[in-house]
Amino acid sequence: DSGVTQTPKHLITATGQRVTLRCSPRSGDLSVYWYQQSLDQGLQFLIQYYNGEERAKGNILERFSAQQFPDLHSELNLSSLELGDSALYFCASSVGNGYEQYFGPGTRLTVT
Amino acid sequence: AQRVTQPEKLLSVFKGAPVELKCNYSYSGSPELFWYVQYSRQRLQLLLRHISRESIKGFTADLNKGETSFHLKKPFAQEEDSAMYYCALLVTGRRALTFGSGTRLQVQP
Repeated sequence: DSGVTQTPKHLITATGQRVTLRCSPRSGDLSVYWYQQSLDQGLQFLIQYYNGEERAKGNILERFSAQQFPDLHSELNLSSLELGDSALYFCASSVGNGYEQYFGPGTRLTVT
Repeated sequence: AQRVTQPEKLLSVFKGAPVELKCNYSYSGSPELFWYVQYSRQRLQLLLRHISRESIKGFTADLNKGETSFHLKKPFAQEEDSAMYYCALLVTGRRALTFGSGTRLQVQP
């Protein structure tokens, strides 16, 4: 077990709604990364936080946002949901930049 | 921009046969390469990191900078090796992994 936890495991919601996904990194890890895994796009990097600060942005839509709290857990907020947002959302953590990343179990989001 | 290519979507072999999962990358600098494995309905797990030069679960991978490849190999496949395998690249100065599209390995009895 890598120690990264994510809640909820599954989420089913309707188009236009807003959801929040939560991630707790491994003990001691300061970096948190969010990835989206979909059938057509594969694994895509969304955003990274390091010790509370945003450090890198990938293919993250403007409807999506994230933050990392003082206790280092992170939340990914997805709003105005569309059918195409249905995917597995993974969180990963690492000690710092340039170190191997350890993944959480993912949250499966289904937008109906 | 950096890119990782895994040309095979599916690789099917029989138990005991050798396995080679191909990975090619494009990046002009000195990358760090990783292999991650995702068993059915489970999280991605780090399998190998090229810097460590380890052998995990019988798998090895050698970085070939001349051919810009990082193929994953195992001499004798086991049924429990059946999973999705992702090659990933970490570029100096960037923070996020760039993943290939993945190869599904099916090991038949």
